[in-house]
Amino acid sequence: DAGITQSPRHKVTETGTPVTLRCHQTENHRYMYWYRQDPGHGLRLIHYSYGVKDTDKGEVSDGYSVSRSKTEDFLLTLESATSSQTSVYFCAISAYGPNTEAFFGQGTRLTVV
Amino acid sequence: QKEVEQDPGPLSVPEGAIVSLNCTYSNSAFQYFMWYRQYSRKGPELLMYTYSSGNKEDGRFTAQVDKSSKYISLFIRDSQPSDSATYLCAMSPGQIQGAQKLVFGQGTRLTINP
Repeated sequence: DAGITQSPRHKVTETGTPVTLRCHQTENHRYMYWYRQDPGHGLRLIHYSYGVKDTDKGEVSDGYSVSRSKTEDFLLTLESATSSQTSVYFCAISAYGPNTEAFFGQGTRLTVV
Repeated sequence: QKEVEQDPGPLSVPEGAIVSLNCTYSNSAFQYFMWYRQYSRKGPELLMYTYSSGNKEDGRFTAQVDKSSKYISLFIRDSQPSDSATYLCAMSPGQIQGAQKLVFGQGTRLTINP
């Protein structure tokens, strides 16, 4: 596996509570991404980062915010979790340059009850 | 309508069979085409990467891209039980601010029976 660690790996939380998922990389890659995976939808991009403090929205960004204060860490926050945010969340990283591969973490399984 | 359509299966074939997996897409801006393999409870891993139209072969795997038809395929020859996984197609229009913003199909769950 590429040097990507997601934490926690599993979490159950209640509706309305804030939740933060962490992605930590040891590859010094410039780009980091958060995707969610749901049955019938494949993976969908939530937010991505193209540098420290530089982030942008993806396809399904509503209800999510991100922060990247260091190259190695990319945080995904659900400000007020809803049941529709029950999903498996994957972090990915890629290097600068053409034809670069995106490497995925092991995923975080989040259940909102 | 989704930008990328992939038959979710499930698909079950005997060991040694040739497997064909397909995706169609609607965005003509897509230039990079990928196939990812995902084992149960794991993250996706890149299997094949193709730029624009054409074929690419890697061992038992062949990826084909037909941009005129907006159709991509992955062929697996001499399939093995270890090939049992979910296969996801993914596409990108290219780098935006250097980032690869991938659009995925729904994934096809494949089982190879010994």
